[in-house]
Formats: sequence, structure tokens, C-alpha cells
Amino acid sequence: DAGVIQSPRHEVTEMGQEVTLRCKPISGHNSLFWYRQTMMRGLELLIYFNNNVPIDDSGMPEDRFSAKMPNASFSTLKIQPSEPRDSAVYFCASRAGVVNQPQHFGDGTRLSIL
Amino acid sequence: KNQVEQSPQSLIILEGKNCTLQCNYTVSPFSNLRWYKQDTGRGPVSLTIMTFSENTKSNGRYTATLDADTKQSSLHITASQLSDSASYICVVTPGRFGAGTRLTVKP
Repeated sequence: DAGVIQSPRHEVTEMGQEVTLRCKPISGHNSLFWYRQTMMRGLELLIYFNNNVPIDDSGMPEDRFSAKMPNASFSTLKIQPSEPRDSAVYFCASRAGVVNQPQHFGDGTRLSIL
Repeated sequence: KNQVEQSPQSLIILEGKNCTLQCNYTVSPFSNLRWYKQDTGRGPVSLTIMTFSENTKSNGRYTATLDADTKQSSLHITASQLSDSASYICVVTPGRFGAGTRLTVKP
């Protein structure tokens, strides 16, 4: 039973480069969430989709960040251009059904911008 | 000021002992309150989810309580095991996260 799959697990790149993080949610789940976690700020919700439609992107820090969900089995989070302060662990989570169901997290992408 | 405050920030206990973690919030209204366990290098794992009307919910050795009047929740861990060493995060929906409590269980 595959969980949420994120790739890559680690990414190191130079500032100014474009970064694309990928997520495959659990099959049958209709909600998908992108989070960022840092030591300073803890976990932060960036954006979430319901049935592939972005519902709330108020947590997206700035225009350099964008997220897409072209179909029910795939989502991307893109940062362009990347900056050192974007260094963090980015998590994707998916959920079935309504808001009181548990979210299932992937193991994250550790992003380092040099 | 963070709308979800967790205490203590860190905690060390001996294997087999019980412990209680606290979560105070000011978020209003809210859909549910969730407790997650996060092992180092892994994503959070859901332990409990409580709605506004629920007072307690258990998941094995984990029991969460909720007092909506005082806006407080607690997570009680019974007969701790070494594998309980992790960060425990309180989340109040919509999307307000506590900073977590780092629990270390020592043999």
C-alpha cells in the first residue's frame, strides 16, 4: 500500500535556479496539501487543492512560488528563482473525503539553496 | 503571537513512564484539532483528530483531550516506549500549527 510519494528526497541547487518538487498522492484521495517546515517557523501550510482545484493559496510566500495539480495523481511545487531563504523541508500530504479525515504525509523533500 | 502554543518545548522521560503534552490555542472558529507524531527525517503521522464537540479520543497508548471552553488540548502517552521519541505537533484547522514538543524517552 503505497503512501504519498515525493521526489526528489534531497535537492541542492544554487540560488537563482528553478526548483521543481513533485508529489504523488495516495490513490483515491481528493485533497492535496503542500507544507514547508523550518526550524524557525515550524510547519506552514502553503497551498491546498481539492479535486485538483487550488482552494487556498494564502500561505504561498510570494510570486516565486507556484503549484499545479494537472490530474488527481500528480502535483508540483515550483520555485523560480530560488533563494537561500527557501531552504527547508517541503512536505506533501493527501486526504480522502472531508476535513475530519487524517492527512497522510510523504517523507518530504529537503531543499538546500546555496 | 502564535495562535497555537505548545508546552513544554522539550521533555525527557524514562521508558515506561507516562507523560502529558499541552496545546493551548486561540484559533476561533475551528474545524478540528489534530495531534501528529513526527520522527526525525520523516513526515508527520496523524495520531488523533477531534472535532469541536469531542472531549477525548484514544489511539492505543495515546489519549488526546479537548476543552473547547478553555481552548486547551492535551496528549497523554501511557507506558512510554523508546519509539515514542519524536516531535509531537498540535494543529488547529484551519492550518494553525504549534511549534511542537520534542519528546525523548530514555532506557
